[in-house]
Amino acid sequence: DAKTTQPNSMESNEEEPVHLPCNHSTISGTDYIHWYRQLPSQGPEYVIHGLTSNVNNRMASLAIAEDRKSSTLILHRATLRDAAVYYCILRGKGIQGAQKLVFGQGTRLTINP
Amino acid sequence: KAGVTQTPRYLIKTRGQQVTLSCSPISGHRSVSWYQQTPGQGLQFLFEYFSETQRNKGNFPGRFSGRQFSNSRSEMNVSTLELGDSALYLCASSLTGGGYTFGSGTRLTVV
Repeated sequence: DAKTTQPNSMESNEEEPVHLPCNHSTISGTDYIHWYRQLPSQGPEYVIHGLTSNVNNRMASLAIAEDRKSSTLILHRATLRDAAVYYCILRGKGIQGAQKLVFGQGTRLTINP
Repeated sequence: KAGVTQTPRYLIKTRGQQVTLSCSPISGHRSVSWYQQTPGQGLQFLFEYFSETQRNKGNFPGRFSGRQFSNSRSEMNVSTLELGDSALYLCASSLTGGGYTFGSGTRLTVV
């Protein structure tokens, strides 16, 4: 399974942009890059995913490097509710075309008021 | 629309017992996967079902099993419980190629 590497923790201030990096140097051509976040006592929440092109949605933006070996999740204006553990995951194919998520340790994001 | 529903939310069992956890996916989602989350190991993939067939399995012993019904609801079973099985068990459903929607999980405590 292809692995991802993220910083253990990051800190930012409220209403400022946050850039969460992720390295995935062993990514294969068919792996999608997914981001999820997990708040305390809750299941992970889908944030965004992409394959090659940069992606935007109402929650965040995903910037993918041209060689796809790294990506950055961008929160444009952080709020206190964005404090969570953020997981960068490669969604690949297993047997019979099945897919699974392989979670790393994630980045614990702290937002200061 | 309703999210992924997992029952029960909390469960306490003793060593040696077995347990069955239930997951109802989002309507229309045919893929259901299960994950175990512990403080030491983080989130680990257990297995995935699609159209009542197990398509993928993680590195867990045979005591962990699951199934999916024709309405896409899924159950996972753990037999001969061990203390180390204490964890948050998460279920997620998805459409093919889309993001996963997770339930709030079942917190299992084995005493």
